[in-house]
Amino acid sequence: EDKVVQSPLSLVVHEGDTVTLNCSYEVTNFRSLLWYKQEKKAPTFLFMLTSSGIEKKSGRLSSILDKKELFSILNITATQTGDSAVYLCAVVWNYGQNFVFGPGTRLSVLP
Amino acid sequence: DTGVSQNPRHKITKRGQNVTFRCDPISEHNRLYWYRQTLGQGPEFLTYFQNEAQLEKSRLLSDRFSAERPKGSFSTLEIQRTEQGDSAMYLCASSLSPVGQRAAPHTDTQYFGPGTRLTVL
Repeated sequence: EDKVVQSPLSLVVHEGDTVTLNCSYEVTNFRSLLWYKQEKKAPTFLFMLTSSGIEKKSGRLSSILDKKELFSILNITATQTGDSAVYLCAVVWNYGQNFVFGPGTRLSVLP
Repeated sequence: DTGVSQNPRHKITKRGQNVTFRCDPISEHNRLYWYRQTLGQGPEFLTYFQNEAQLEKSRLLSDRFSAERPKGSFSTLEIQRTEQGDSAMYLCASSLSPVGQRAAPHTDTQYFGPGTRLTVL
């Protein structure tokens, strides 16, 4: 009964590669989806997505939501070793009353 | 640094002892949240406050856990009679919701503190 599923759970790439991280969800009354980057401590906010098909972009990171197919992707282009982290997806549902994180994708970028 | 701060950063305790953690949110934020995160998992919601009122508690929050935010600023999370299963990272987050609106709790962007890592021996 996992509500938020992320894939892959772990990924190893080399600097310069492009990666795509997936987050799918199954909740009622979806409100929004958030991406966070977690290094050794607190998750840091990346994006909040509420509308389908509208890409959000910040530097080499971008994300898009598909509310029909119930998933989001996070793209990182030209990866750097500093991108190594756990990327967490979280979904707000039940009219904003509930908030649940996925298990995260651990990304390792090798020099 | 005007972000969310948590103290202590690490706590090692023996089973059966009580522990208390503190969270100082971003100063103008009226909402404060507590989460627990175990290795390899995403954070799990525990409870949240709007100002000083505790408005929601997860079923994960057993009777041994209590949280307070007495003046609507900092918050404390106390765990009584700790058990080994309580070992985890305890994360605090804060957010700003529009004043005067009783909006749903998770509609604002939450900003996280560095966490308190609890180890129960």
